Amino acid sequence: AQSVTQLGSHVSVSEGALVLLRCNYSSSVPPYLFWYVQYPNQGLQLLLKYTTGATLVKGINGFEAEFKKSETSFHLTKPSAHMSDAAEYFCAVFPRGSNYKLTFGKGTLLTVNP
Amino acid sequence: DTAVSQTPKYLVTQMGNDKSIKCEQNLGHDTMYWYKQDSKKFLKIMFSYNNKELIINETVPNRFSPKSPDKAHLNLHINSLELGDSAVYFCASSLEGYCTFGSGTRLTVV
Repeated sequence: AQSVTQLGSHVSVSEGALVLLRCNYSSSVPPYLFWYVQYPNQGLQLLLKYTTGATLVKGINGFEAEFKKSETSFHLTKPSAHMSDAAEYFCAVFPRGSNYKLTFGKGTLLTVNP
Repeated sequence: DTAVSQTPKYLVTQMGNDKSIKCEQNLGHDTMYWYKQDSKKFLKIMFSYNNKELIINETVPNRFSPKSPDKAHLNLHINSLELGDSAVYFCASSLEGYCTFGSGTRLTVV
């Protein structure tokens, strides 16, 4: 079975500061990894995904994440936070060839202070 | 055109009632899901269908019954609604795990 751990249910940064949201996963087979963002009262939007190839993946809105197999991590970063980045962020894992189950972490609420 | 559309967006109903939520996707994906998001924002998979076949049923009470008339549609029927069923329900369709989500149905049971 696969699982996702997001360290820190709430992260607060100042506008212009580095954003770092942590995600560790476990999977019995090589996984696909995803970050989704959920703005208040909205659905989930894909930020970025790792499937194969380059381990540093770039997504929308200036976010990027690095797949580190040795650390089973897929942390999300953005060099400079913007007020509009305030949202809930979810890391998710999909084991390749699995029984079609995308498993989410519990989410990290990002607040951005002016 | 909305890729994954679900209706209704809001649903307020009394305990004991039966209600349905509809979902349709126009992405041509073979796999569709229902997820439940509780008040703490935790997303839990309920069901997964692949090409109209039930693939995953995550120990959901049998008051919840999904139906997939074709691979573009996955509806959720809930019998005898309980207070604890209040949540946001998301439909999604996927290709190799990459899920596209609907905008959600906020169900409130009073």
